[in-house]
Amino acid sequence: QVQLKQSGPGLVRPSQTLSLTCAISGDSVSSDTDAWNWIRQSPSRGLEWLGRTYYRSKWYTDYAVSVESRITINTDTSKNQLSLHLNSVTPEDTAVYYCARGKFDLGGGGGSWFDSWGQGILVTVSS
Amino acid sequence: DIQMTQSPSTLSASVGDRVTITCRASQSISIWLAWYQQKPGKAPNLLIYKASALESGVPSRFSGSGSGTEFTLTISSLQPDDSATYYCQQHNSYAYTFGQGTKLEI
Repeated sequence: QVQLKQSGPGLVRPSQTLSLTCAISGDSVSSDTDAWNWIRQSPSRGLEWLGRTYYRSKWYTDYAVSVESRITINTDTSKNQLSLHLNSVTPEDTAVYYCARGKFDLGGGGGSWFDSWGQGILVTVSS
Repeated sequence: DIQMTQSPSTLSASVGDRVTITCRASQSISIWLAWYQQKPGKAPNLLIYKASALESGVPSRFSGSGSGTEFTLTISSLQPDDSATYYCQQHNSYAYTFGQGTKLEI
């Protein structure tokens, strides 16, 4: 059974970089059938998908337009984990951040739904 | 981005009731819709994907239907444990988007 364990600071200063890690057990970050996503949730923005990374003979990443100029998602295959880096943060980036595994239809249609989630980390952006 | 709109925003019902939550997409998403249940302080939990496919381990009182732009989540006989907020998510294509949520009070 896949488990996702998140880690990272709960407080980030404005204009700094938010960095979180998601350690995967029970699956591989290099899986050729899954994708690995970051999603955040705040009262003002609801659930917001931020981006994903996946491996299909090579690595691919996609980012939400709302954060694409500030976000980077990386993987560390030796540690079987992925990371999120969001720079130039403002108080509007205050949210609970989740990593989640994305599953795809075996028939090849559509995008992914999220069947496993990390525990979530509340990140507050404040001086 | 595809906008997802849920109704109602809040719903109050009793144990044993049948309840339905609706989710509308701003454009056709075929059958590519998922439903999640979220309890306070917890991550969302997948209930349904591909509009009507029940995730393993989810009670059979949960069911989903719909295609195109209109979808429903039905709970056939409410249980006390079903008190939660429910979200729809389109998985037609990234960027994935979620509805604003329906809070179900029992």
